[in-house]
Amino acid sequence: ETGVTQTPRHLVMGMTNKKSLKCEQHLGHNAMYWYKQSAKKPLELMFVYSLEERVENNSVPSRFSPECPNSSHLFLHLHTLQPEDSALYLCASSPYTGDDYGYTFGSGTRLTVV
Amino acid sequence: DAKTTQPTSMDCAEGRAANLPCNHSTISGNEYVYWYRQIHSQGPQYIIHGLKNNETNEMASLIITEDRKSSTLILPHATLRDTAVYYCIVRVAGGGFKTIFGAGTRLFVKA
Repeated sequence: ETGVTQTPRHLVMGMTNKKSLKCEQHLGHNAMYWYKQSAKKPLELMFVYSLEERVENNSVPSRFSPECPNSSHLFLHLHTLQPEDSALYLCASSPYTGDDYGYTFGSGTRLTVV
Repeated sequence: DAKTTQPTSMDCAEGRAANLPCNHSTISGNEYVYWYRQIHSQGPQYIIHGLKNNETNEMASLIITEDRKSSTLILPHATLRDTAVYYCIVRVAGGGFKTIFGAGTRLFVKA
């Protein structure tokens, strides 16, 4: 365990479903991130939250909706997804966005859209 | 942030040192060199980072050339569990939210 916990580990959903991915950290970190990793592609940064405020949104489609209710929890709400959205979704945290610490990643949620 | 170039894949014998190179010829003076690795189906794991001095921790050593245009990550005694994709990233100090991952080097440690 890295200190960043993601649930569920695996998720299969239909294109008309609504689901949410959850990320939780109790490392005292103030910045949290969502990354997407498609098969044979590099990790893509999706969203960045600093002190519960979204500071980065990398042109992500609106069918992905992040939520950060407090500095320990981060959600990714999913609706009307497409099969090409199937990927490993990774959450990470760091003490702050503007410092020199490495990120701590969770183990990811493997999402399959059918 | 500067772009990095890494070999696509490398092999290493178990118990030997694994030396993973990274070129970052356009690195700026305030950009750090970071290394992460990703074992199959897991999230990336931070390994080490440095600015211009060589760095060592319990996992690895980082050697940065004097002109800072390249660096080498050294795993002193590679084990089978070190088989992973290794990412070299350069990032502006204070620009933490711009950690961008490339394709990395796939290291195969063989018995």
